[in-house]
Amino acid sequence: AQKVTQAQTEISVVEKEDVTLDCVYETRDTTYYLFWYKQPPSGELVFLIRRNSFDEQNEISGRYSWNFQKSTSSFNFTITASQVVDSAVYFCALSSFNTNAGKSTFGDGTTLTVKP
Amino acid sequence: DAGVIQSPRHEVTEMGQEVTLRCKPISGHDYLFWYRQTMMRGLELLIYFNNNVPIDDSGMPEDRFSAKMPNASFSTLKIQPSEPRDSAVYFCASSPGTAYGYTFGSGTRLTVV
Repeated sequence: AQKVTQAQTEISVVEKEDVTLDCVYETRDTTYYLFWYKQPPSGELVFLIRRNSFDEQNEISGRYSWNFQKSTSSFNFTITASQVVDSAVYFCALSSFNTNAGKSTFGDGTTLTVKP
Repeated sequence: DAGVIQSPRHEVTEMGQEVTLRCKPISGHDYLFWYRQTMMRGLELLIYFNNNVPIDDSGMPEDRFSAKMPNASFSTLKIQPSEPRDSAVYFCASSPGTAYGYTFGSGTRLTVV
């Protein structure tokens, strides 16, 4: 069975603080994919990033960075110098070819509030 | 591409009425998913299709819910009869496959009174 755990239900920070959203996953498959999605207060769900299990390179996109560590089964998301516009619910997800191919398992989400 | 298109954006209906939600996936995406989101239960997968064939409908709450995908460019989620506890935001999403993320539609906010 696959599982994604986002232990932080809610996080509140003040603007310009750095914040890390944790994601821990479980899978028996050796080939899998990890994703992050953002759901701002407007409600739409937006795909942010995909990583495959063979690529442990960290990725940086502007103020966003992702740290993938197979040794700890984690795929954490860091926002540097947070802004009010980063306030959203963030979901981590996992998919693999061998378990329910095509379908992603989502975490419960972390609600991030960035205060001015 | 216009993305995943859902209609209507908002639906208010009376208890007992039939409700039909519609979704047009992105062309070329082989997978289509229906999700429901509420404050209490979060994001729930209701059903998903691969190449128009239902693969897993274990998330459909009860027989009042049904979903169809008659062709690659159209899917419906029907609730008959609707109940107040069905009030939620229903999302449709499509994906090219396992290695890819989902593209979600804007959602349909359903209110059953």
